[in-house]
Amino acid sequence: DAEITQSPRHKITETGRQVTLACHQTWNHNNMFWYRQDLGHGLRLIHYSYGVQDTNKGEVSDGYSVSRSNTEDLPLTLESAASSQTSVYFCASSLQGGGSTDTQYFGPGTRLTVL
Amino acid sequence: DQQVKQNSPSLSVQEGRISILNCDYTNSMFDYFLWYKKYPAEGPTFLISISSIKDKNEDGRFTVFLNKSAKHLSLHIVPSQPGDSAVYFCAAGRWGSQGNLIFGKGTKLSVKP
Repeated sequence: DAEITQSPRHKITETGRQVTLACHQTWNHNNMFWYRQDLGHGLRLIHYSYGVQDTNKGEVSDGYSVSRSNTEDLPLTLESAASSQTSVYFCASSLQGGGSTDTQYFGPGTRLTVL
Repeated sequence: DQQVKQNSPSLSVQEGRISILNCDYTNSMFDYFLWYKKYPAEGPTFLISISSIKDKNEDGRFTVFLNKSAKHLSLHIVPSQPGDSAVYFCAAGRWGSQGNLIFGKGTKLSVKP
């Protein structure tokens, strides 16, 4: 069955370290998204990609970067982790032009703690 | 400025009764709306959607109503079950935006036995 996975599921790191969160989908979806979820803020968009070599900034992109070298993967990198980046991170994907409503399918999430 | 608002952070309902979750939006250009359900330690899962050309969509116990003039949609769950206890997110999108969605902050539903 097609799926979307994230790794690691939990990560503890120190301030200033570079961290990369992995996202892999086997849906063969064109679109991939990264969100963070924080209490009182819901889901906020960090970065997104519409295809290979395409990346775009979302609402809260400062301090994060992504790269898309293939259809299946969109890793999220925190260049220099800050305590404000402690959060739960979700990856999602959707099929461009998939129908009247472009449903996003989410991974299980990565809980990141920056000490 | 929030384009999609869920003004009730939480809702408590008795098992077997109706749960009504509300969502308001400010952008009249949205073309479709979705509801997602999220359990703790899991990712959001798609529940039901509606396009702006409809005013109702039903799937089993779940019905979404859309009132475009009021820029309001609601999710009805009948009858509510304890397994429905979760956080529900409302989301909105536009055709041509390549699948980008705007999410509300969520409403935590508790269904008590």
